[in-house]
Amino acid sequence: SYELTQPPSVSVFPGQTARITCSGDALPKQYAHWYQQKPGQAPVVVIYKDSERPSGIPERFSGSSSGTTVTLTISGVQAEDEADYYCQLADNSGIYWVFGGGTKLTVL
Amino acid sequence: EVELVQSGAEVKKPGESLRISCKASGYSFTRYWIGWVRQMPGKGLEWMGIIYPGDSETRYSPPFQGQVAISADRSISTAYLQWSSPKASDTAVYYCVRRAESYYGFDFWGQGTRVTVSS
Repeated sequence: SYELTQPPSVSVFPGQTARITCSGDALPKQYAHWYQQKPGQAPVVVIYKDSERPSGIPERFSGSSSGTTVTLTISGVQAEDEADYYCQLADNSGIYWVFGGGTKLTVL
Repeated sequence: EVELVQSGAEVKKPGESLRISCKASGYSFTRYWIGWVRQMPGKGLEWMGIIYPGDSETRYSPPFQGQVAISADRSISTAYLQWSSPKASDTAVYYCVRRAESYYGFDFWGQGTRVTVSS
């Protein structure tokens, strides 16, 4: 199946490390991608193919994969990182595309 | 510079036909898939469907099959999302997205079009 499960919320203090997980049976076979969405804005890709970082995305954003879980890690969280984060994957044929339910990152 | 510029906000009554657009620039329009993503008020992202402007091959997410129509006009590098009979439950922000060349994800997003369907 192509369902992706994320925790609804994660909270950290500035400077700490935030880890946002995304779980799904298809993850060992398919790459996952992560999007950041700030209030009132369109999403932006922050990690693609599990761990690749697009140009312009700060180095504090990283991704990893292990079995049926992928993880977005934000090291040294800053106030500006407060946003909703979504994981996403598609099947090999690009026929089925799915987003996780999203995780709200709160910087305390 | 790649840009996806969407049409402005729409307010419609239930049953009034509706079409929103997404004009692409800065790249070869016919070489990349363009999709649509829905975000209902206060909710997450939902993939609706995708079209390859090069040959108009289109794929829909099952919940949206038959509910909307996705099309593209190569001559003006514009993709469309259309409803024949919108319902109040179609009230949402709709984003057009470009599928990345090297992975099954979306590398560029439009700014979003807010659609309100209300009597």
